[in-house]
Amino acid sequence: DAGVIQSPRHEVTEMGQEVTLRCKPISGHDYLFWYRQTMMRGLELLIYFNNNVPIDDSGMPEDRFSAKMPNASFSTLKIQPSEPRDSAVYFCASSAGRGQPQHFGDGTRLSIL
Amino acid sequence: SQKIEQNSEALNIQEGKTATLTCNYTNYSPAYLQWYRQDPGRGPVFLLLIRENEKEKRKERLKVTFDTTLKQSLFHITASQPADSATYLCALSPGEGGKLIFGQGTELSVKP
Repeated sequence: DAGVIQSPRHEVTEMGQEVTLRCKPISGHDYLFWYRQTMMRGLELLIYFNNNVPIDDSGMPEDRFSAKMPNASFSTLKIQPSEPRDSAVYFCASSAGRGQPQHFGDGTRLSIL
Repeated sequence: SQKIEQNSEALNIQEGKTATLTCNYTNYSPAYLQWYRQDPGRGPVFLLLIRENEKEKRKERLKVTFDTTLKQSLFHITASQPADSATYLCALSPGEGGKLIFGQGTELSVKP
């Protein structure tokens, strides 16, 4: 079975550019999570969806960040405009229900120059 | 303030010994706690879940305990192997929703 699929795996772009990260969750999972991981702050939850509806976006750092889930099999995290401090590894995860294990993709390593 | 803390120092042990990792939390009343393993360049992988009404959970060489009075979970790997070397993350549910809050992780190194 395919796990959570994220693209791209690596992204290097210049400050001010728009960045779009993509995620395909595991089929049948109704929760989707976006995380950011840095050495300083560890793994931080940015936003999560249940049945394609955003439930908690309190971790989204500022208005430059937005996330959508137009259907059960696809989600995007967008940063516009990007800044060097956004450089991190961004993970998407999905789960089959509240309290169930989360399945993570292998992340997108984002570098903003 | 709410905090979740794991051993800040890396843990180095000899092959065959038992590794014990600690996860402490303050100002949370989690309904469950989960442990994950993360290898370099990969996403975290789920290992074990323990609920607030469970004291202990086992899976092969892994054991997790959960003490809601001490606000602590311990994660044990018995008969450790070099392949167990990784970063281990604990995560708890802060409320009724589906989200998890993760600790910073403990890096475990098992030497042959």
